[in-house]
Amino acid sequence: KQEVTQIPAALSVPEGENLVLNCSFTDSAIYNLQWFRQDPGKGLTSLLLIQSSQREQTSGRLNASLDKSSGRSTLYIAASQPGDSATYLCAVGNSGGSNYKLTFGKGTLLTVNP
Amino acid sequence: NAGVTQTPKFQVLKTGQSMTLQCAQDMNHEYMSWYRQDPGMGLRLIHYSVGAGITDQGEVPNGYNVSRSTTEDFPLRLLSAAPSQTSVYFCASNKWGVGYGYTFGSGTRLTVV
Repeated sequence: KQEVTQIPAALSVPEGENLVLNCSFTDSAIYNLQWFRQDPGKGLTSLLLIQSSQREQTSGRLNASLDKSSGRSTLYIAASQPGDSATYLCAVGNSGGSNYKLTFGKGTLLTVNP
Repeated sequence: NAGVTQTPKFQVLKTGQSMTLQCAQDMNHEYMSWYRQDPGMGLRLIHYSVGAGITDQGEVPNGYNVSRSTTEDFPLRLLSAAPSQTSVYFCASNKWGVGYGYTFGSGTRLTVV
């Protein structure tokens, strides 16, 4: 059974700092990995999608990496802003060569202080 | 496109009542799924569908039924609500193939008293 762990559970940083969120998974036979952002009381917003054959994806100040062999992904946020404050969720898509199930980590609660 | 639409956004039920959570997507996605989100537990898969007429159980299916008669709709039914089903429910959809990620609805917050 796939298990996804996110470390740290919570992180508080001053504005402008670069930071890294970590995600690890136990079964390397994944189809892809997706990072989401969730604001309090809201739904999930997709940030980045990395296919199993890719090493990284970038969008603006965000960069996600994937190392399938070691079962790890990182989300790098450059020059953090108070508006980045949210819970960040890592989800692994896997099963039978397709992507009809996601297994989620419990998330990292990020607070960026002005 | 509207994306994934969930209704209602909030609902309070009494123990033993039944209800249906609605989910619709207009992106012609083959895959649809239901998750519940609980504090300290993260998001867990309830049921999923890989196409019209095909459904299967996820990690926590007990107490829930689903059906998929069309590509667009994937309702979740609670037959006899229990306090343990108090949660936030999310519907999601995805397109088959490389390069497609999941799109989530805005959620339904359900309280069973």
